Amino acid sequence: QKEVEQDPGPLSVPEGAIVSLNCTYSNSAFQYFMWYRQYSRKGPELLMYTYSSGNKEDGRFTAQVDKSSKYISLFIRDSQPSDSATYLCAMGPGANSKLTFGKGITLSVRP
Amino acid sequence: DTAVSQTPKYLVTQMGNDKSIKCEQNLGHDTMYWYKQDSKKFLKIMFSYNNKELIINETVPNRFSPKSPDKAHLNLHINSLELGDSAVYFCASSQAGFSYNEQFFGPGTRLTVL
Repeated sequence: QKEVEQDPGPLSVPEGAIVSLNCTYSNSAFQYFMWYRQYSRKGPELLMYTYSSGNKEDGRFTAQVDKSSKYISLFIRDSQPSDSATYLCAMGPGANSKLTFGKGITLSVRP
Repeated sequence: DTAVSQTPKYLVTQMGNDKSIKCEQNLGHDTMYWYKQDSKKFLKIMFSYNNKELIINETVPNRFSPKSPDKAHLNLHINSLELGDSAVYFCASSQAGFSYNEQFFGPGTRLTVL
């Protein structure tokens, strides 16, 4: 079993849809959970970060962590064509530890 | 104003050649990384340096040798290139601290080995 599993893609949704992206993990030491967004031919950039369990909201984006189930999610409300990108979950045991990334899912939002 | 820059952006070369990729960050960070992203977008860490000292060295063939002349630069030299080395290589940097600090990624170097 891989340390971090991410739902396979690609995913195509109409504009305005609610998108749910998910990752599961096996390492119970993970405490820091991130979502990175990567546009085509660019480097990843941090979208959201959560420490331990709980929810975090930033505009149209909500990150959820359920440590008991070892499951994290990213919700995108009112999705826009500009949200079309690859989304990678990442996690690590400590603030400065190495990150383990999921495989990434490519999202396409159709106008 | 570029934060993390890499050169070259594209690199096409023959099997067996030796090549280098350079990375520079102007963010004042003390930690730098090299990642490899394959064609399926899987991003995997290769190396990490903190203040010029190697702190993460994943299971990477010893044909790959990182070098950090100072904390703003981290270069990657690859000997005897193989077809399987074709990928996008990303440099990143962050500032170590007590809470999570964002890793800033460069634009990537797309390496194609023929």
